[in-house]
Amino acid sequence: KAGVTQTPRYLIKTRGQQVTLSCSPISGHRSVSWYQQTPGQGLQFLFEYFSETQRNKGNFPGRFSGRQFSNSRSEMNVSTLELGDSALYLCASSPDRNSGNTIYFGEGSWLTVV
Amino acid sequence: GNSVTQMEGPVTLSEEAFLTINCTYTATGYPSLFWYVQYPGEGLQLLLKATKADDKGSNKGFEATYRKETTSFHLEKGSVQVSDSAVYFCALSDQITGNQFYFGTGTSLTVIP
Repeated sequence: KAGVTQTPRYLIKTRGQQVTLSCSPISGHRSVSWYQQTPGQGLQFLFEYFSETQRNKGNFPGRFSGRQFSNSRSEMNVSTLELGDSALYLCASSPDRNSGNTIYFGEGSWLTVV
Repeated sequence: GNSVTQMEGPVTLSEEAFLTINCTYTATGYPSLFWYVQYPGEGLQLLLKATKADDKGSNKGFEATYRKETTSFHLEKGSVQVSDSAVYFCALSDQITGNQFYFGTGTSLTVIP
C-alpha cells in the first residue's frame, strides 16, 4: 500500500509570492491534516480536512489555506510568503476521525522563502 | 487546553545503554497518547501508542505506559542501538478534536558505538 505522497519535496520561493503544496493520502483514507515544522516552534497544526470539509483549524493567519478534493487529495496554499514561512510542511492522513486514530505522515515539502 | 511537555535534548548514549525520555501531558478529556520517531530528512513514523489509562504500547523494543495519575507517557528502551538515533516526539489527540494532534518539542537521541 502506497504511503502518503507529498509534492514537491523541495522548493524555493521569493518573499511575496504564493505557493501550493499537494498531498495524496493513503488509499482509503478520508482525513488529511497539515502541520508546519520549524526548529523554533516545533510541530504546529495547520488544519484538517475530512470529506472535503475543513474540520479543525490551527492558529495561523488567513494567508494559510487549504482544500480537499472528492478523491481525498488535498492542497494547501500560502499566499504573500514571508521569510518566517520557511519550514517543513507535513501532511498526514487517517482513515476517519475516530478517537485514538493513528495519523500517517508523508515525507514533507521543504519550503525556503528568500 | 491540550499540551505535551517533553524532556529536552539532545541525549547522547552509548550502544546498549538504557533509554528514558520523559513526557507529561495536559488534556481536557481522555486523550490517546503516541510516540512518533523522525529520522533525518524524513517525515514522522508512529513508534507506539496507547489509547486508555494503564495501556502499554510497545514496538521494536520501545515501550511506554499511559499513566493517568501522573499524566505521563515516558518512553523506555532497555538497550539502544546506533540505528535508534533519531528525534522522538510525544503527542496526544483527544476525542473532541479528532485528528488534531498536539506534539512535544521533540528529543534528539544520538547513540554512539
